[in-house]
Amino acid sequence: KQEVTQIPAALSVPEGENLVLNCSFTDSAIYNLQWFRQDPGKGLTSLLLIQSSQREQTSGRLNASLDKSSGRSTLYIAASQPGDSATYLCAVLGLSGAGSYQLTFGKGTKLSVIP
Amino acid sequence: DTAVSQTPKYLVTQMGNDKSIKCEQNLGHDTMYWYKQDSKKFLKIMFSYNNKELIINETVPNRFSPKSPDKAHLNLHINSLELGDSAVYFCASSQDFGGATDTQYFGPGTRLTVL
Repeated sequence: KQEVTQIPAALSVPEGENLVLNCSFTDSAIYNLQWFRQDPGKGLTSLLLIQSSQREQTSGRLNASLDKSSGRSTLYIAASQPGDSATYLCAVLGLSGAGSYQLTFGKGTKLSVIP
Repeated sequence: DTAVSQTPKYLVTQMGNDKSIKCEQNLGHDTMYWYKQDSKKFLKIMFSYNNKELIINETVPNRFSPKSPDKAHLNLHINSLELGDSAVYFCASSQDFGGATDTQYFGPGTRLTVL
């Protein structure tokens, strides 16, 4: 059974710092990995999607990497801003033991960027 | 225009009742999802439909039944509501499933409270 772990559970940084969020998964047989952000009381916003054949994806100040063999992904945020404060979730798409698709989320990292 | 919409936004009901949550997407996507986010903010997928065909059906009580009248709609029916069903339910959609275009777009969520 796929398990997705995000470390740390919470992170507080001063504005302007570069930071890295980590995501690890136990089963490397995945189709893709996706990073989301969730603002309090709101839905999820997709940030980046990395296919299993890709190593990284970039969007603005965000860069996500994927090392499928080691079961790890990182989300790098450059020059953090208070508006980046949110919970960041990663999710992996793979197959369950029964052969059906399985989408598994981590529990998220709550990021606070202090002005 | 709202890409993924859910109704109602809030739902308060008595234990034992039957209720429905509606979801509509105007993005022309082929795949739709239902997620449950519990009180600890842990997000878990419940169902996914691709072209009106069920492709993910996680272990949820059979009191929960998704219904997809067409590709743009995926409604969630819940029978005999229980206290433990209280959560925020999110609907999402993506262009494809398992491919390069399956970035997911989420609705605003429906907060269900069972008394």
